[in-house]
Amino acid sequence: GEDVEQSLFLSVREGDSSVINCTYTDSSSTYLYWYKQEPGAGLQLLTYIFSNMDMKQDQRLTVLLNKKDKHLSLRIADTQTGDSAIYFCAEATSGTYKYIFGTGTRLKVLA
Amino acid sequence: DSGVTQTPKHLITATGQRVTLRCSPRSGDLSVYWYQQSLDQGLQFLIQYYNGEERAKGNILERFSAQQFPDLHSELNLSSLELGDSALYFCASSDRGTGELFFGEGSRLTVL
Repeated sequence: GEDVEQSLFLSVREGDSSVINCTYTDSSSTYLYWYKQEPGAGLQLLTYIFSNMDMKQDQRLTVLLNKKDKHLSLRIADTQTGDSAIYFCAEATSGTYKYIFGTGTRLKVLA
Repeated sequence: DSGVTQTPKHLITATGQRVTLRCSPRSGDLSVYWYQQSLDQGLQFLIQYYNGEERAKGNILERFSAQQFPDLHSELNLSSLELGDSALYFCASSDRGTGELFFGEGSRLTVL
């Protein structure tokens, strides 16, 4: 089946690290994405990882992929108040043109 | 600015009515995706078009229909509207090279 699950809320203090988790069920997924949605705006791609990778780092963002457990995580180092947003993970399989999004995790950063 | 344009930004209508949401993809993108975002249901994939043809279908109700025109803009038609159709409707287009989705700012539909 196709299902992408995330916890709904996460609250962290400014300067701490945030870890947002995601589980997916389609083992044939080729690409896994993290999108950010700020209030009143559409989704913007933050980063993505190919399914043959275990980790990807991009400045303050670290993506970890555990294919065996179908678990994806996004770590934001030194979280800032501007990081407060909804974060969506999404999976896509090459050739299917279908992107499946998770429920989104609302991150609140406390000053 | 993602390059994807959606109109209208806000729409208030009554139950039983019909509305049309419009989307212009980024220049050069051939694919258009429609998503519905409700408060309690996250982002639901509705339908995807590629160069004028329907490519994939998700959880789209029979009361809803969509099409993509020769100039690649797309319209999502919602009819016999119900209170539960109140949501944010997003359009996205995908980059032909990377597959990255670029989202519009959404059309917020309120059904009273």
